[in-house]
Amino acid sequence: AQKITQTQPGMFVQEKEAVTLDCTYDTSDPSYGLFWYKQPSSGEMIFLIYQGSYDQQNATEGRYSLNFQKARKSANLVISASQLGDSAMYFCAMREARNTDKLIFGTGTRLQVFP
Amino acid sequence: EAGVTQFPSHSVIEKGQTVTLRCDPISGHDNLYWYRRVMGKEIKFLLHFVKESKQDESGMPNNRFLAERTGGTYSTLKVQPAELEDSGVYFCASSGRAVHNEQFFGPGTRLTVL
Repeated sequence: AQKITQTQPGMFVQEKEAVTLDCTYDTSDPSYGLFWYKQPSSGEMIFLIYQGSYDQQNATEGRYSLNFQKARKSANLVISASQLGDSAMYFCAMREARNTDKLIFGTGTRLQVFP
Repeated sequence: EAGVTQFPSHSVIEKGQTVTLRCDPISGHDNLYWYRRVMGKEIKFLLHFVKESKQDESGMPNNRFLAERTGGTYSTLKVQPAELEDSGVYFCASSGRAVHNEQFFGPGTRLTVL
């Protein structure tokens, strides 16, 4: 069955350092998309980055990049040069082409950035 | 451009009562989704509207939950009667013509059933 696993309930990183948040997925659909969302304390979920299963290159968006390893079924989020405002919950999600548009989420990772 | 809005932000009700949650999607977005996060677990899909039609309601837990989307604009999610296990955060999202058809989420409604 389709599933998203985030094994890190919490992570700490010092300001200006890079951090990797892990995400593994399971699907039998050859066409799928992977998303990362950030949820700050205000509650709203903010879309960060997308990776398609057929994309040849790893996605990047500013300080966010996705380390996509298709054979390992992993889609780790890398945040470079962490900032205090990066402290939030981070959710990995998957959308399968055959499964309408619904997103399947992991349990999330709480990131805390300290000075 | 205004984002997805949800009302109320919090609701505390007693078991057996009725609660109605409202979601206003981003203007022009045909797709509207409801999700729910129960206490520390993953966020789970409830249903998907395309305009006023239910495209997928496979995630609705039982017939105590009723979702509507009048005229393809705002949506309501009614829980009647509420049970203790319905407590959680209910998220609404919408999508339109974004590059990756990503969903834009509202801040959620935190529902507590006592």
